[in-house]
Amino acid sequence: EPEVTQTPSHQVTQMGQEVILRCVPISNHLYFYWYRQILGQKVEFLVSFYNNEISEKSEIFDDQFSVERPDGSNFTLKIRSTKLEDSAMYFCASQGLLTSYEQYFGPGTRLTVT
Amino acid sequence: DAKTTQPTSMDCAEGRAANLPCNHSTISGNEYVYWYRQIHSQGPQYIIHGLKNNETNEMASLIITEDRKSSTLILPHATLRDTAVYYCIVRPYSGNTPLVFGKGTRLSVIA
Repeated sequence: EPEVTQTPSHQVTQMGQEVILRCVPISNHLYFYWYRQILGQKVEFLVSFYNNEISEKSEIFDDQFSVERPDGSNFTLKIRSTKLEDSAMYFCASQGLLTSYEQYFGPGTRLTVT
Repeated sequence: DAKTTQPTSMDCAEGRAANLPCNHSTISGNEYVYWYRQIHSQGPQYIIHGLKNNETNEMASLIITEDRKSSTLILPHATLRDTAVYYCIVRPYSGNTPLVFGKGTRLSVIA
């Protein structure tokens, strides 16, 4: 069964460093998302991406964040200068066009900023 | 903010049916009810969705009241592996609207 994959599973970085989180969505999907979940809190939407551009973003997704689909298969989330409060699980999700609009999530990347 | 209300936690005996309620009294005509679950810190997993008719798949059944203001997710024979947080989400059936997660219901299946 097709699935969304994410790498790395765990990333430790120092405050102020740049990180790139990678996702490989399901191959025929067209909508892509990033969500995050701070430990013990709700899953929060960050950004959605369709047709090579951002469709929608939340207040969390400020200028420190960016997304791109560099090669038609990977979908990346970059945080330019990490802060302690960026420590969280980051989930990528993808969604098909002709299916029932359900989103399929990857296993997540645990980002720890020290 | 989430447009749904769910109990914080529930227990269910292994092998019995788990019935998870959800209130969505402000649901709009173009919004579907989606259910996801999250096992420990894994990515949320899609379970089922519906508009107004009852739905069933290999994982669960979804019962939506006639006025669409509430629904119940039914896991017919709960197993220990069904222990998870279950989220009820209302969402327009179109395009790439993001999911808005609430706190969900923590279901504990007990042996």
